[in-house]
Amino acid sequence: SAVISQKPSRDICQRGTSLTIQCQVDSQVTMMFWYRQQPGQSLTLIATANQGSEATYESGFVIDKFPISRPNLTFSTLTVSNMSPEDSSIYLCSVGTGGGDQPQHFGDGTRLSIL
Amino acid sequence: EDQVTQSPEALRLQEGESSSLNCSYTVSGLRGLFWYRQDPGKGPEFLFTLYSAGEEKEKERLKATLTKKESFLHITAPKPEDSATYLCAVQSTSGTYKYIFGTGTRLKVLA
Repeated sequence: SAVISQKPSRDICQRGTSLTIQCQVDSQVTMMFWYRQQPGQSLTLIATANQGSEATYESGFVIDKFPISRPNLTFSTLTVSNMSPEDSSIYLCSVGTGGGDQPQHFGDGTRLSIL
Repeated sequence: EDQVTQSPEALRLQEGESSSLNCSYTVSGLRGLFWYRQDPGKGPEFLFTLYSAGEEKEKERLKATLTKKESFLHITAPKPEDSATYLCAVQSTSGTYKYIFGTGTRLKVLA
């Protein structure tokens, strides 16, 4: 399966600042996704990163807060903007390498704490 | 609304003590059900995909089964290295590739 690298692996940020998380895959993939995993809760899909077009956001997530880029088939970024303590979470990138019903594979995530 | 519920939330087993984890789901139409293992500080690691009721998949000490309403992850003679959080996710036929995840079962296997 694809090797997925996320940077940074963890960070501590001040409220009101923004952080960009990178997701790099070692092969071209058709689909890339961004999830949030809050303590004690399930993974929640933030958005699907579409190559060459605007990301598709899930209910409750907006582009102004979580802008996403996907300039090619191996790379995507997620920015968490104007952070507050409620944004403290693990942010995970996943990729789909086959058809839509094939399993997604995940990076190890970015652990973000907001002071 | 699509929904996934996993039980129990946490499970402690002695080494060699077999058990099952449950994933109950409600979805308009099932495209696939996925089991993942997540170790602390790591992302979810894919284990199995199940597509239709009656299907079974096995890998070492793990066996996943699927009915029209739920899936079970059976763990036979577990070892301490099987300790992890096990996550279940479903994908519906609604036209998107979105996964709905359960909150997971935290498994601890004691030596």
